[in-house]
Amino acid sequence: DGGITQSPKYLFRKEGQNVTLSCEQNLNHDAMYWYRQDPGQGLRLIYYSQIVNDFQKGDIAEGYSVSREKKESFPLTVTSAQKNPTAFYLCASTRRDTGELFFGEGSRLTVL
Amino acid sequence: DAKTTQPPSMDCAEGRAANLPCNHSTISGNEYVYWYRQIHSQGPQYIIHGLKNNETNEMASLIITEDRKSSTLILPHATLRDTAVYYCIVRFAMNRDDKIIFGKGTRLHILP
Repeated sequence: DGGITQSPKYLFRKEGQNVTLSCEQNLNHDAMYWYRQDPGQGLRLIYYSQIVNDFQKGDIAEGYSVSREKKESFPLTVTSAQKNPTAFYLCASTRRDTGELFFGEGSRLTVL
Repeated sequence: DAKTTQPPSMDCAEGRAANLPCNHSTISGNEYVYWYRQIHSQGPQYIIHGLKNNETNEMASLIITEDRKSSTLILPHATLRDTAVYYCIVRFAMNRDDKIIFGKGTRLHILP
């Protein structure tokens, strides 16, 4: 079945450590997105990529980095520079003809 | 900033129609209105989208005002499983993989 796979689902890290969240899609979508969600809040855009080897900052990119070396993959690194990394992270891709966003199940990061 | 505003929360009795409003007064002529919903701790799920005309699918109906400055999502016979946060967003649909900004959405409570 086609879809978006995020891993790990839950992740615990010590403060000061970099963490990489995986996002893989087999939908053949060009564009991919990373969002952050805090409790009781909406989704905030971190980074997005419209095509391989290209990506743009969203509204809250500070303390995060991404790469897009393959169409299928868009990993997000939460660096030690991110002041409050504990959050729920969602990856998405868009179907070009309809603009519909497909989301993964999310990764919940807790920094201790 | 999000291009849409929604009430933070709404209640609806089970079995009744749930009408969720969305204001998008700065929408441009080529932008579509999309609705998603998010059940607790899952990725958002696409519901419906439209440009000018009213739309209906198996999940919901979308009513867009003639001036396109607002819209209403209608869940015709709400069930307890419709309890979720509903997001209204505006974006270009085809061949435009741009920034996709979410607001805080409306938390819909279906009352038994």
